Amino acid sequence: KQEVTQIPAALSVPEGENLVLNCSFTDSAIYNLQWFRQDPGKGLTSLLLIQSSQREQTSGRLNASLDKSSGRSTLYIAASQPGDSATYLCAYAGGTSYGKLTFGQGTILTVHP
Amino acid sequence: GAGVSQTPSNKVTEKGKYVELRCDPISGHTALYWYRQSLGQGPEFLIYFQGTGAADDSGLPNDRFFAVRPEGSVSTLKIQRTERGDSAVYLCASSLTGSDGYTFGSGTRLTVV
Repeated sequence: KQEVTQIPAALSVPEGENLVLNCSFTDSAIYNLQWFRQDPGKGLTSLLLIQSSQREQTSGRLNASLDKSSGRSTLYIAASQPGDSATYLCAYAGGTSYGKLTFGQGTILTVHP
Repeated sequence: GAGVSQTPSNKVTEKGKYVELRCDPISGHTALYWYRQSLGQGPEFLIYFQGTGAADDSGLPNDRFFAVRPEGSVSTLKIQRTERGDSAVYLCASSLTGSDGYTFGSGTRLTVV
């Protein structure tokens, strides 16, 4: 069974800290990997999409890396802000079914002032 | 439209009843996806449409669940003989081609009492 594990399950940090969220997956034949943000009671917002041929993507204070050989991705958030508080989910599309995303359970991030 | 629209936003139904959940994708997006999210979990894949046809329906849990997209735009997820275990947030997403990033709707919260 394809699985995605996100560590830590929850994280609480003071404002201004740099932080790393981890995602590991069991399927080596991935098509792409995405990081999403979910606010309470809301849908998912796509943050970064990394194609299987890429190693990393950057958007503002966010940087996501992908290491297919080890089955890992990390989301780096620089200079965290209270507005970054949300659940962060990673998901990958498998090599033969790129329309289907397999999600992790998410990391609940709280950034306190 | 500007985003993915899902209606209704909330639905309460009695056990055994039939429900329909609607998804309006972004105009021009050929791929449409349905996911189900239980509290504290990541979304679980249900079905993926490319145009009018279901490209992958391997996530539908049983034959009580059915989805259509007759004209390649709006999709309806239909659940017959609802059970309390069907209670969850049902998320719809669309993408331009199916191999690029997703845009999710805000979801329909279904409660079966």
